[in-house]
Amino acid sequence: EGQLLESGGGLVQPGGSLRLSCAASGFTFSNYAMTWVRQAPGKGLEWVSGITGSGGSTYYADSVKGRFTISRDNSKNSLDLQMSSLRAEDTAVYYCAKGATPGGWNWFDPWGQGTLVTVSS
Amino acid sequence: DIQMTQSPSSLPASVGDRVTITCRASQSISIYVNWYQQKPGKAPKLLIFNASNLQGGVPSRFSGSGSGTDFTLTISSLQPEDFATYYCQQGYSTPSTFGPGTKLEIK
Repeated sequence: EGQLLESGGGLVQPGGSLRLSCAASGFTFSNYAMTWVRQAPGKGLEWVSGITGSGGSTYYADSVKGRFTISRDNSKNSLDLQMSSLRAEDTAVYYCAKGATPGGWNWFDPWGQGTLVTVSS
Repeated sequence: DIQMTQSPSSLPASVGDRVTITCRASQSISIYVNWYQQKPGKAPKLLIFNASNLQGGVPSRFSGSGSGTDFTLTISSLQPEDFATYYCQQGYSTPSTFGPGTKLEIK
């Protein structure tokens, strides 16, 4: 099934940038699409971004398009999310999750433990 | 984007109860609904994929059904560890979208 471990969260001022990372183990990383899902405090789940197994295609929610960039390094089994122009409404726990297939993410399993991003002055 | 709704938003229940949570999609999504359980402070856990397939390691008291726009998650006999929030999610198209959640509470 594998394991995922996020890092990089923290407190950042509005308009600032932050880079999240997700280290994968226990599965053939390049064989699976990967995704980021976030959860604002006390709220539900919101899909943020996804990338295919090869890294050739990337997808974004409208709420983050043009501000966030997803990338992966299959040689290092790692997934990143570069976040810029951060807003208060980006405050959330960010989870990385493994997709179901190389090309997509019908379902997400497993999930990392999450990393908290707080955007505040 | 496909909108997912869930009912009820909150469900008081007792150990041993049979409970059903409903999820509805704003358009037909075939069987591409998945269900997750989330406990406070923890990551979501996949329970059911493609409407009715039980993820490995998930107890058989959990079951899912449906196709098209209407889906259900049923827990046949509630156990103490089942009190949590449950989310449906559509995997039919990008962006993937989640329902708002159903909080299963102790009556």
